[in-house]
Amino acid sequence: AQSVAQPEDQVNVAEGNPLTVKCTYSVSGNPYLFWYVQYPNRGLQFLLKYITGDNLVKGSYGFEAEFNKSQTSFHLKKPSALVSDSALYFCAVRDSGANNLFFGTGTRLTVIP
Amino acid sequence: GAVVSQHPSRVICKSGTSVKIECRSLDFQATTMFWYRQFPKQSLMLMATSNEGSKATYEQGVEKDKFLINHASLTLSTLTVTSAHPEDSSFYICSARTGRFSNSPLHFGNGTRLTVT
Repeated sequence: AQSVAQPEDQVNVAEGNPLTVKCTYSVSGNPYLFWYVQYPNRGLQFLLKYITGDNLVKGSYGFEAEFNKSQTSFHLKKPSALVSDSALYFCAVRDSGANNLFFGTGTRLTVIP
Repeated sequence: GAVVSQHPSRVICKSGTSVKIECRSLDFQATTMFWYRQFPKQSLMLMATSNEGSKATYEQGVEKDKFLINHASLTLSTLTVTSAHPEDSSFYICSARTGRFSNSPLHFGNGTRLTVT
């Protein structure tokens, strides 16, 4: 069975500070991992993905995520937060042998000016 | 980049009527499209997988006779909420995969907020 956990409903960070949005996953096979961002009343935008290769993945808008197999985590990070980064962030996982994408419950990021 | 257009963005309808939501891939062909439903402060719930030229695959608990999905072409999938009721009020989002492989990212429409009065 596949599942994704985003333990924090809300993350607040001051502008200019580094940010981390946490995600852990569970799959039976090899994981394909994704991060998406959602702005109010909008669909989701793809940020980055991990399929294979380097554990540190760089994506859009300066975001990056680190795949940690031993901890089954895929935390989203950014060295310096912007107010415009305030949004809802979703982690998602797909088992390499499956078709469906499973989403976490989302983490609302608020960057404080 | 890949663009998925979803219409309408917002619709209000009376209980008992039907509403059709369109999802189009504007600059790529999508053999598979996905329909999600999002409840307030909750994650996306996959409703069904729509394959061009064949019947949609519905997730457990989703009524196929209520949520009719048609994927008539490689660029268009529609979701029709039949005999809508207030509990159907929600945010519906479609997505499409640009590549042939399952590790290709999904591209999402902007969603449709349905309010049933």
